[in-house]
Amino acid sequence: AQKVTQAQTEISVVEKEDVTLDCVYETRDTTYYLFWYKQPPSGELVFLIRRNSFDEQNEISGRYSWNFQKSTSSFNFTITASQVVDSAVYFCALSEAGDGGSQGNLIFGKGTKLSVKP
Amino acid sequence: DGGITQSPKYLFRKEGQNVTLSCEQNLNHDAMYWYRQDPGQGLRLIYYSQIVNDFQKGDIAEGYSVSREKKESFPLTVTSAQKNPTAFYLCASSARTGGIGETQYFGPGTRLLVL
Repeated sequence: AQKVTQAQTEISVVEKEDVTLDCVYETRDTTYYLFWYKQPPSGELVFLIRRNSFDEQNEISGRYSWNFQKSTSSFNFTITASQVVDSAVYFCALSEAGDGGSQGNLIFGKGTKLSVKP
Repeated sequence: DGGITQSPKYLFRKEGQNVTLSCEQNLNHDAMYWYRQDPGQGLRLIYYSQIVNDFQKGDIAEGYSVSREKKESFPLTVTSAQKNPTAFYLCASSARTGGIGETQYFGPGTRLLVL
């Protein structure tokens, strides 16, 4: 079973629409971290946010917001008033204690490709 | 400017050839990582290193080798034993080792193609 599931493979919206990217994770640990990264067409992954398991407060950064719900093991990402520059692949990732030396390694979902059309 | 550099941007490999991908960081980070990305797939961990002269296998280490002789450098060799090397390779680093929640920062990637 996947530890990080991004069920939406591709999403296409028109500029100025709001869009939510879903991320569902699976872990038995009580302490863990969740991340979102953006991969534009250039290929480099850009860090967007890190959230620890003890902080369920939603976060907003400009047009970006994140909704963390432990009850449903979800960490969803919303872009408000999307722009063409938001077109990219977005990855959700989990960092958990794991076993032995793998502690802390990131476990990535398969990504959601977002296309924002003008 | 601090960051992670990878070279070359594109690399072509012939059958039976070993090739080496370069990764350098000037962030003074302790840990470094190599990932492989295939189309429509997430990132899969090849190798990681938490300290100089030490490294660990990730999920898909077969057909790859690494070294960590300097803190700043973590080269990846794709050997002839890797039968399907065509992929996008990403290097990353994080400040500390051994703890969960460390943010990883990524380089621009190297695209490896087989001739």
